[in-house]
Amino acid sequence: EDQVTQSPEALRLQEGESSSLNCSYTVSGLRGLFWYRQDPGKGPEFLFTLYSAGEEKEKERLKATLTKKESFLHITAPKPEDSATYLCAVQNNYGQNFVFGPGTRLSVLP
Amino acid sequence: GAVVSQHPSWVICKSGTSVKIECRSLDFQATTMFWYRQFPKQSLMLMATSNEGSKATYEQGVEKDKFLINHASLTLSTLTVTSAHPEDSSFYICSAPTQWGETQYFGPGTRLLVL
Repeated sequence: EDQVTQSPEALRLQEGESSSLNCSYTVSGLRGLFWYRQDPGKGPEFLFTLYSAGEEKEKERLKATLTKKESFLHITAPKPEDSATYLCAVQNNYGQNFVFGPGTRLSVLP
Repeated sequence: GAVVSQHPSWVICKSGTSVKIECRSLDFQATTMFWYRQFPKQSLMLMATSNEGSKATYEQGVEKDKFLINHASLTLSTLTVTSAHPEDSSFYICSAPTQWGETQYFGPGTRLLVL
């Protein structure tokens, strides 16, 4: 059974204080690992798709990396508007559905 | 990115009534759509996979007679919560995968409150 865990559960940062969020996974043949951002009361917003170990993708202050067992979402010099819940999900080679992790609630204080 | 819409964005209903939620892919066709349920401060729980032109596939523990799914066209899937009860109150979100499965795009969600 595919599983995704995320840590920490919640993270509070000062504006400008860089940090990383972790997503650990077990999957029967990884097709893709996905990062989403979700604001309260809204649907998840797509950030990145990673397909193979060693792959990295960047978008503004965010950088996602992937190994065979985990993915990191690095946040460089975060701003208050980066406050959200960050969700990680995996998709295996046998179906279309995603398995989501519980998310990390990020708060960036001014 | 691709856009998925949901309607209504929120609904309040009395116990025992039925509520229909629409999910539309606005700029791409989706033979498959997914319906999720999310409780406060929890992650998304997949309820069912909606397939255009065929029956939906429900996850274990989800009552298919209570949560009716119809995928009428390549851009529209509907979720009907039948005989809603207070325990059905939740945030319902749909998503549609891109053609090659590079990602899923999510709708904005529908908040249901059953009194």
